[in-house]
Amino acid sequence: AQSVTQLDSQVPVFEEAPVELRCNYSSSVSVYLFWYVQYPNQGLQLLLKYLSGSTLVKGINGFEAEFNKSQTSFHLRKPSVHISDTAEYFCAVGTQGGSEKLVFGKGTKLTVNP
Amino acid sequence: DAGVIQSPRHEVTEMGQEVTLRCKPISGHNSLFWYRQTMMRGLELLIYFNNNVPIDDSGMPEDRFSAKMPNASFSTLKIQPSEPRDSAVYFCASSPGGGNHNEQFFGPGTRLTVL
Repeated sequence: AQSVTQLDSQVPVFEEAPVELRCNYSSSVSVYLFWYVQYPNQGLQLLLKYLSGSTLVKGINGFEAEFNKSQTSFHLRKPSVHISDTAEYFCAVGTQGGSEKLVFGKGTKLTVNP
Repeated sequence: DAGVIQSPRHEVTEMGQEVTLRCKPISGHNSLFWYRQTMMRGLELLIYFNNNVPIDDSGMPEDRFSAKMPNASFSTLKIQPSEPRDSAVYFCASSPGGGNHNEQFFGPGTRLTVL
């Protein structure tokens, strides 16, 4: 079975500062990895995904994530955040060749302060 | 495209009442997912369908919960009888199907409060 750990439940940062949201996963088979964002009172939206190939994945809104197989991590980064990036961010894992189920982490609430 | 549509957006009911949540997936999508989100447990997959057939219902908490997908454009999640611990936001999501590398598109959710 797969599992996802998001180490920080809350991350406060100042506007224009860099941010890293951490995600570690556990799986005995090869995986697909995803980051979703949830703005207040909305459903989740896909930010980016890693399927194969280059370990550095670029997504929408200037976010990027790096897949590190040896450390079983998929941390999300942005070099300079905006107030509008305030949201909750979810890391998710799916198994290659497996069912369509995704296992989500518990989320990291990013708060960008002026 | 209107995206995934869920109704109602908010539901307040009393313990013991039947609750029915509705979902219309994106046209052409073959897979549909029901999730529950709470502060304590995060986002949990309850059940998912592919081509209107339930594939995995291992996340359905107990017999009080049931889900149906009578056709490609409609699904329901029913709770009978409802209990206060069922209070949560319930999300429906759809995807093109054909593998879990595809993006899941989420609806806006139904916020359920059971008094």
